[in-house]
Amino acid sequence: NAGVTQTPKFQVLKTGQSMTLQCAQDMNHNSMYWYRQDPGMGLRLIYYSASEGTTDKGEVPNGYNVSRLNKREFSLRLESAAPSQTSVYFCASSEATGAYNQPQHFGDGTRLSIL
Amino acid sequence: GDSVTQMEGPVTLSEEAFLTINCTYTATGYPSLFWYVQYPGEGLQLLLKATKADDKGSNKGFEATYRKETTSFHLEKGSVQVSDSAVYFCALQANTNAGKSTFGDGTTLTVKP
Repeated sequence: NAGVTQTPKFQVLKTGQSMTLQCAQDMNHNSMYWYRQDPGMGLRLIYYSASEGTTDKGEVPNGYNVSRLNKREFSLRLESAAPSQTSVYFCASSEATGAYNQPQHFGDGTRLSIL
Repeated sequence: GDSVTQMEGPVTLSEEAFLTINCTYTATGYPSLFWYVQYPGEGLQLLLKATKADDKGSNKGFEATYRKETTSFHLEKGSVQVSDSAVYFCALQANTNAGKSTFGDGTTLTVKP
């Protein structure tokens, strides 16, 4: 009963390095999301995917790219990491596109530090 | 655009005290409203939801009523426990937004024995 699984849980990078955060869900959900959480700023949407094969920008997309590999997996890539991208990253999924009364299901997060 | 405003924290209470965390929203149409809870080191998890005006969501002793006239969805619990210590997020989901949610900034609750 895994739900939403994120890897890795922790990562330290140097400025300019690249990395990909992985996310997979086993609930057959159509929609998936990437957020970042910073102290005092709640959750900010980076990118989302309303269905397999589609992706759209959220509130803070600069410096990130995403890939919806299949219905289960949605990855987030930092091409050239910057200290301002130090944050906790959460992946989430929800049941159906356009079903506006469905809650989101979250992974446990990736804690990313960029030196 | 859509927005959610939560009462600022942190909130510190003694065990068995009454809890209220205020949440107001701005949205077009008739959004669904949610409360999520985040325990240390974990992701958010759904606490309760309400999908139309005057609906009351409830779970684990927590309640919130969807008040369209005041655009509010305040979270209440009659008697808090130490185990309720967490961060609480109010969120809305508009009916035209492909399932995207708008979150408040979160309110940190600490309950002391």
